[in-house]
Amino acid sequence: ETGVTQSPTHLIKTRGQQVTLRCSSQSGHNTVSWYQQALGQGPQFIFQYYREEENGRGNFPPRFSGLQFPNYSSELNVNALELDDSALYLCASSPHTDTQYFGPGTRLTVL
Amino acid sequence: GESVGLHLPTLSVQEGDNSIINCAYSNSASDYFIWYKQESGKGPQFIIDIRSNMDKRQGQRVTVLLNKTVKHLSLQIAATQPGDSAVYFCADRANTGNQFYFGTGTSLTVIP
Repeated sequence: ETGVTQSPTHLIKTRGQQVTLRCSSQSGHNTVSWYQQALGQGPQFIFQYYREEENGRGNFPPRFSGLQFPNYSSELNVNALELDDSALYLCASSPHTDTQYFGPGTRLTVL
Repeated sequence: GESVGLHLPTLSVQEGDNSIINCAYSNSASDYFIWYKQESGKGPQFIIDIRSNMDKRQGQRVTVLLNKTVKHLSLQIAATQPGDSAVYFCADRANTGNQFYFGTGTSLTVIP
């Protein structure tokens, strides 16, 4: 067990809607990264938060946004959902920029 | 952009044999590498890591080899067991950033 939890486990939304995914990191891990994993692919980096500030971003549009809270929890928000946003969303926590430990993921389906 | 690729998308081995999973990376600035195991329906699980100042690191039944000259990484699993069946990913991080890049994965199947 990594001590990283995510909710919900599964989610179904329709195109154009907004979604919020949640992650609870290991205590003491002040860095959280979010990844998108399409079926049959490796995880793709969305962004990273360190001490509640964005600390790097991958090639994702601004409609993907995030928040990190002092209690080691974080959120991924996606606006104006598109069909291609259907994927497994993973969060990974680490003690700053070091080994990342992943949660179980949230499976998002956009219809 | 960053390219981290795996040489073989699938690998089948007999139980008890050794497994070798290979990975190529393209960024010469990569200084930290991790191997993950992902079982169906689960998040990636950390297996072993290695930094660029090393060329070999061993864990429990696993060994990672790093060849910086040819930008190649391998994961060796000794005495492969049915529980080792999963998709294996290598990931690397450049010394200039904090983003990990993942390959597409190798699916390992252990035949009892």
